[in-house]
Parts: sequence; structure tokens; C-alpha cells
Amino acid sequence: DIRVTQSPSSLSASVGDRLSITCRTSQSVGTSLNWYEQKLGKAPRLLIYAASTLQSGVPLRFSGSGSGTDFTLTITSLQPEDFATYFCQQSYSQPYVFGGGTRVHIK
Amino acid sequence: QVQLQESGPGLVKPSEILSLTCAVSGYSISSGYYWGWLRQSPGKGLEWIGNVYHTGSAYYNPSFKSRVTISVDTSNNQFSLRLTSVTAADSAVYYCARDFTFYSGVASWDAMDVWGQGTTVTVSS
Repeated sequence: DIRVTQSPSSLSASVGDRLSITCRTSQSVGTSLNWYEQKLGKAPRLLIYAASTLQSGVPLRFSGSGSGTDFTLTITSLQPEDFATYFCQQSYSQPYVFGGGTRVHIK
Repeated sequence: QVQLQESGPGLVKPSEILSLTCAVSGYSISSGYYWGWLRQSPGKGLEWIGNVYHTGSAYYNPSFKSRVTISVDTSNNQFSLRLTSVTAADSAVYYCARDFTFYSGVASWDAMDVWGQGTTVTVSS
């Protein structure tokens, strides 16, 4: 199985901050890397697919980059509704594997 | 608007069978795409269990070995999960999701674009 490592596992931030979350896979997945947001008690929501393509309806302050084994999710100008947990997921080969998640909380 | 809704027992006894159903509305399963099951627990995070096509062709996470079966019922527009010989380690929130394929030219990518709200299953005697 492809291993997916996400960092950091937790971070503190303030409204208006720019933040980045990284995801690394144990082998190249090309651009088959997705990002999801999950709020407490809710199902994950797809934010970005194919490493950098914004899902319909997702605000432009979210962006994704990377290819191969190293990927980044960036949120510019963090908003109150962005305090959540973020997961990356490789969809290059089955079994699909998720990263351990990054919890973004208020500083 | 595509919606998915999980249903099934919230409590299952150890060694018994966990059965869940996902009802799909706003989209016909027969029209395509894979339909999957995932689960989330504090100890193991988000785990992909497997998925099924409308033809019945299914793929499973080897971690579940021969315990898992995912089936589709196109006449009722739903798909199901069956997990046998459950233990406390199978206690989790179970989600169903659509495994959507995005295309750009000849390239394609998969992602879970629509999720059910999740259902909590506890394995306990």
C-alpha cells in the first residue's frame, strides 16, 4: 500500500493568517492527490482533486500544489469557518489511503 | 443534487455481522461511477473499505481480507456493506460516498465527491 504522511498534525492560527499543510506519499502518485475538510461531527468535504483543481463551490482562498510525492494545501486569509481538520488522500492506486489529518484551531 | 444516506444497526455484538445500506437520491447508480464505504475511528483515522460499480464489480481494501462484501441494488438505487466477524476494533463512524471520476482529455482522477452524513456503529456485547 502507498503510505501517506501529513504534517503538521495540529496547528494554531488566527483569522487572516496564511497557512500550509503538507502531504507526502511513499511513492509517486503523479497528481492523484485529493484534499478534504472535515468539521466536527460532519462528513469530510472534497476541497481539491488532482492535486490542484478546486472542487466546485470551494472558495478561492484554498489552493493545492505538488506532484510526485510532495503536496501542499494552502489557505490564504484564514476565515472563521476554516477552523477544521484537513485530510489528504491518494487516489493513484487502491487501496486508497488517507493522511492522518491536520487539525487547525484558533490561536 | 446527489444525496447519500446510511442506515443500519448502531450496535453489533462481537463475532456477528455488521450490515449497512446506503440509499442514493438525485442520481441513478446505474448511470455509472463507483460507490464506496469508508470508516473513521480515533485509533485508525479515515479508512477506505472498498467500492462497487453498478455492475456489481467490487474492490476491497486487503486489510479487511475476506470479511467484507459490498453489493449494489440498482432497482432500489442503493448499495450495501457487509462485514463479518466484527470485533471492538470495528467500532467506528461508517460513511458511504460516491467515487467520482474527473476527466481532462485522456487523463482522469478519482475522488470522493459526495458523502453520506455517517452512521456510528459500536461493537459490544
